[in-house]
Amino acid sequence: DAGVTQSPTHLIKTRGQHVTLRCSPISGHKSVSWYQQVLGQGPQFIFQYYEKEERGRGNFPDRFSARQFPNYSSELNVNALLLGDSALYLCASSYQGTNSPLHFGNGTRLTVT
Amino acid sequence: RKEVEQDPGPFNVPEGATVAFNCTYSNSASQSFFWYRQDCRKEPKLLMSVYSSGNEDGRFTAQLNRASQYISLLIRDSKLSDSATYLCVVFGPGDTGFQKLVFGTGTRLLVSP
Repeated sequence: DAGVTQSPTHLIKTRGQHVTLRCSPISGHKSVSWYQQVLGQGPQFIFQYYEKEERGRGNFPDRFSARQFPNYSSELNVNALLLGDSALYLCASSYQGTNSPLHFGNGTRLTVT
Repeated sequence: RKEVEQDPGPFNVPEGATVAFNCTYSNSASQSFFWYRQDCRKEPKLLMSVYSSGNEDGRFTAQLNRASQYISLLIRDSKLSDSATYLCVVFGPGDTGFQKLVFGTGTRLLVSP
């Protein structure tokens, strides 16, 4: 069975650009969460979607947005990229909400220059 | 005060040693607790859930002390393959009441021959 898949694996962007990261959850999982992990820190919660609705948002600026599609896949969008947005972006799926064990994808490593 | 605090380490131990990590959390309304393992430049993976009565999985023992709001992870007979970062994770209400997972910064373990 396929695990959580994320694309792309690596990405280099310049300041001010826009980026879209994609995530496909494990089959049957209805919840997708996004996390940002800066080097040396634990993952920081960005968004959670369940059944295509936003269920939670972390302390991130409005430049960050996301959505979940009818097939439960998800996109994370970041506008007006800043150097500080350079990080590993992790997508995690779970069967229900975040109280269920999370299964993480391999992540997208974003570098902003 | 951080929501979840861990000693970042690194903890340097020889093979066969017993090592313990602690983690404290600030929100007394937190409901569920987990330990995740993260290898260098990889995604976090669930190691074990933590129950009030304490639980054991092979060489790993996790305990929860709700009164003092801390969680512990004990690793016996350390193996070289145990070298990784161990993330303490707490599930509970966020600022807006939304239930979310909060990760600690992680404790790095290095097991040497």
